Amino acid sequence: DADVTQTPRNRITKTGKRIMLECSQTKGHDRMYWYRQDPGLGLRLIYYSFDVKDINKGEISDGYSVSRQAQAKFSLSLESAIPNQTALYFCATSDLGSGMSYNEQFFGPGTRLTVL
Amino acid sequence: GQQLNQSPQSMFIQEGEDVSMNCTSSSIFNTWLWYKQDPGEGPVLLIALYKAGELTSNGRLTAQFGITRKDSFLNISASIPSDVGIYFCAGQNSGGSNYKLTFGKGTLLTVNP
Repeated sequence: DADVTQTPRNRITKTGKRIMLECSQTKGHDRMYWYRQDPGLGLRLIYYSFDVKDINKGEISDGYSVSRQAQAKFSLSLESAIPNQTALYFCATSDLGSGMSYNEQFFGPGTRLTVL
Repeated sequence: GQQLNQSPQSMFIQEGEDVSMNCTSSSIFNTWLWYKQDPGEGPVLLIALYKAGELTSNGRLTAQFGITRKDSFLNISASIPSDVGIYFCAGQNSGGSNYKLTFGKGTLLTVNP
């Protein structure tokens, strides 16, 4: 089974609809992230959470909200979807134990969202 | 915020050729990472670099952490069709609670058999 799963994998919706993308992980990591990928723009951070009680905005949080329901679950919501939110969305997790000097992030398979 | 410039944006090569791509930053990073994204999947870490000047290999991949800490390159030798994908560089500055990654815009690699 995959360590980081995302549902749905594909979604087509209409402008103005509320959408929730879900992420679950079995890696036992405290830190979870939501990214957006657009062609030619790479990965941009939307929100991140370092533990269940910690939520932080990333570089492009406007129009999005998140909920960290448990250590293993981190959901991303679009309250009122608009066409320029059409993109590929990735969830990622990481841990940073003592002595580690880098922050390897493990990515889910992505959700392709189309807003008409 | 910090900006990463990754080049080239795309490459079309023949199987067996060597590939080189690089990233430059407007400011220093403590760690450089290289990820690969296969079509339809999420990025996967290839190589992590921790010290300025460090040269690290992983099979046919070689990456270096620039001495100024503002750049890194990735080389792929003797490319094969499964090397196809998008390659991302990423920089990280640790310290305090800031362990976020800044990603480059990616290099799309196409390998013709």
